[in-house]
Amino acid sequence: AQKVTQAQTEISVVEKEDVTLDCVYETRDTTYYLFWYKQPPSGELVFLIRRNSFDEQNEISGRYSWNFQKSTSSFNFTITASQVVDSAVYFCALSYNTDKLIFGTGTRLQVFP
Amino acid sequence: DTAVSQTPKYLVTQMGNDKSIKCEQNLGHDTMYWYKQDSKKFLKIMFSYNNKELIINETVPNRFSPKSPDKAHLNLHINSLELGDSAVYFCASSQDLEGISYGYTFGSGTRLTVV
Repeated sequence: AQKVTQAQTEISVVEKEDVTLDCVYETRDTTYYLFWYKQPPSGELVFLIRRNSFDEQNEISGRYSWNFQKSTSSFNFTITASQVVDSAVYFCALSYNTDKLIFGTGTRLQVFP
Repeated sequence: DTAVSQTPKYLVTQMGNDKSIKCEQNLGHDTMYWYKQDSKKFLKIMFSYNNKELIINETVPNRFSPKSPDKAHLNLHINSLELGDSAVYFCASSQDLEGISYGYTFGSGTRLTVV
């Protein structure tokens, strides 16, 4: 069965701290895609990153970085030097066979000034 | 230019009513979806259409009926609304080429409140 687990329900940090959001997935497919979305308090879903199963290179985009490890079926997301504007719910998601997105339950990140 | 637009953004209605949510995408994508986000923020797919054909129907009550007049539009009709239908409904679209997924674009959501 395909499944995405985000074990951290809520994380609170103080500004400028680094924070890592964990994502563990399950799938039998050899070709699949992993995503991270951000949902700020305004409610929209903002695309952050897409990674295919054949590309295990880590990626960095500004203060954001992603660590994809097939050996542990994890796709973790790190925010460096967090800011108040990073406060949101973050969703990890899995897609296979170009089909629907299966979302994790989300991690609520609160960044305090 | 809005890529995936949903209307209305907010919808408050009484139990038993019938309502529709409209979705349009101007990205030229072939596949469109409806997702439901419940009060605990859990996101789950309801339907997907590819070029106006129903592809996925995820055990959704018959009171929910999607309609796709063309590949740029996917509307959601809900009959006999119940309190449990209160949620945020997201429309999305995606483009897949030769089995490669190029990602999903979501609309801004419709918050449905049934009273």
